[in-house]
This record gives sequence, C-alpha cells and structure tokens, in this order.
Amino acid sequence: DTAVSQTPKYLVTQMGNDKSIKCEQNLGHDTMYWYKQDSKKFLKIMFSYNNKELIINETVPNRFSPKSPDKAHLNLHINSLELGDSAVYFCASSLGHRGYGYTFGSGTRLTVV
Amino acid sequence: DQQVKQNSPSLSVQEGRISILNCDYTNSMFDYFLWYKKYPAEGPTFLISISSIKDKNEDGRFTVFLNKSAKHLSLHIVPSQPGDSAVYFCAASINAGNNRKLIWGLGTSLAVNP
Repeated sequence: DTAVSQTPKYLVTQMGNDKSIKCEQNLGHDTMYWYKQDSKKFLKIMFSYNNKELIINETVPNRFSPKSPDKAHLNLHINSLELGDSAVYFCASSLGHRGYGYTFGSGTRLTVV
Repeated sequence: DQQVKQNSPSLSVQEGRISILNCDYTNSMFDYFLWYKKYPAEGPTFLISISSIKDKNEDGRFTVFLNKSAKHLSLHIVPSQPGDSAVYFCAASINAGNNRKLIWGLGTSLAVNP
C-alpha cells in the first residue's frame, strides 16, 4: 500500500539504449511530477502533469518523454541514453499544482555505462 | 544560478541539543517555504512549511523561522534525536504563470550523535 511507487528501483543500462521508469500513486492526487537529482545533489523538476495534462516542462532534452495514461500514472521514457543521464529520478504527486504538499516515491537510480 | 541556498552541506550535533539548519534565498517573490527530510534510498518527505506572511511556525520539536528582510529561514529541531539524522532540503514556492514551482536547495546532511 505504498503511496507513490516507482519501478524499477535500480536500472543499469548501456549508452544508446531506450528505457522507461514507471510511477503510480494511490493517493487520489491529480498532479504528478518527475524530478532529477544529479551527482551534485540538485533536485530539479523535469515535468509536471495535472489531470493528464502537461503543465510544466523544464528545459529537458526531448529524448525524455513523459506519458500519463491516467491521473494515477506518470511514466518516463528515455531514448538514446547518455552517460550524463545517470542520476536518481524521483516521482512525486500532490493535490493540485500548488507547489507544496508533495509525496515522493523512493527514487530510481539510473546508471548509464 | 541558485535561488535557494543551503550553505552548510553537513551538520553534526549531540542528542538532546538543538539542531539549526539554515537556508537563504534570493527571490523576493517566493511566498511559501518548505522543509523536507530525506533518508537514504527514500524520497523526500514533507516536514514543515511557512507562509511568507508569517515569521514562525511550530510543529512539535520542529520550528521554522522566517526573516524576510534577510531572505533567510531556519529550521530548529529541539531536542535532536538520532532518528533525525537525515538530509534536510529547503524549498521555496513561487507562482510560475498559471502554475507553481518549487525551487530546492542542495540539502544539509544532519547527523545526531547518541
């Protein structure tokens, strides 16, 4: 009964591959987010979806494509993985896009070799 | 360009004493501030917040102080417990068009020693 769950927890893959990270929340929230925490520990928002609609799209390479099939799911697909994509990716959700009251998933550590 | 700065990457305190974690910001348009706590291999969890119209908010052992003129906020934990050992992130909320954005600091790693 995890509130925000992401899979997989760890992902090791080669450069050039395409991979997906899945996120699901059972809190009844209507807004979901993807954050990236890089090697310098910066937590930076990548995307935000409200009711399946994209509302925030930061300056992220278009190799990253979020997909929200419904309010409870926000998946992240990454094409042509690069070494610099190695990071921890956090999914989060909230009720409304108020900028606070987030619940985070436990993160997916992506390592590109 | 870091709009939210936590200048101390780490802090170590003795159990039972006060922990003070600091956060500075540069954008006067931030109107809501939050503290999140993060354990290893877990996502951040919300701890306490404060609106820019207040200067103090208290929740049990945790108190956040806001000094708008200095663009500075601090989180006080009294008394500190070993279970408080974690990374603490300061975040600031701002209107961004029709939406809101959270801008995060880099975090301060707190170690509470028994």
